[in-house]
Amino acid sequence: AQTVTQSQPEMSVQEAETVTLSCTYDTSENNYYLFWYKQPPSRQMILVIRQEAYKQQNATENRFSVNFQKAAKSFSLKISDSQLGDTAMYFCAFIKAAGNKLTFGGGTRVLVKP
Amino acid sequence: GAGVSQTPSNKVTEKGKYVELRCDPISGHTALYWYRQSLGQGPEFLIYFQGTGAADDSGLPNDRFFAVRPEGSVSTLKIQRTERGDSAVYLCASSLTASGGLYEQYFGPGTRLTVT
Repeated sequence: AQTVTQSQPEMSVQEAETVTLSCTYDTSENNYYLFWYKQPPSRQMILVIRQEAYKQQNATENRFSVNFQKAAKSFSLKISDSQLGDTAMYFCAFIKAAGNKLTFGGGTRVLVKP
Repeated sequence: GAGVSQTPSNKVTEKGKYVELRCDPISGHTALYWYRQSLGQGPEFLIYFQGTGAADDSGLPNDRFFAVRPEGSVSTLKIQRTERGDSAVYLCASSLTASGGLYEQYFGPGTRLTVT
């Protein structure tokens, strides 16, 4: 079974600054995908960024980038130039390449302060 | 286009009652998923449909929980003899097809179930 661990329950950051969220996972699979989802108070999970395990290059999406360390089973998210709208819960998630169910971490609450 | 919708948005019921939660996936999406999110936790997988059939129901906690998708579109999650521990947000997601992480799972806004 896969497990996903987010060790930071809450992070705060000043507007325009950078924050990094940690995620570690445990799996015996070699092919899989990793995700970061954002969940604002509206409850709707929104995909922020996706990483394919077989790709060595770290994924980037505008102000969001990841540091994927496959050997260490680590997948951190960096939010640059933080905006007030980035305030939300962020969840790290894992899925096997041939799987169908996402396994989520416990989440990190991010608060962007003006 | 329209996203995944879920009804009701909130549901309050008494212990022991029966509830149904509805999910309308994105049109054309053949894969549909149900997750449960307890307070302060990440979502946990319940069940997955490919078309009309439940391809994986390994996450259903017990036989009080059941889900159907009779026409391969709308799905209903049914909970019998509700217990206070069933209180949670129930999230539905759909994807074009089930192919690991190749196709994004799009989530609905969830139904918050409160059992009193």
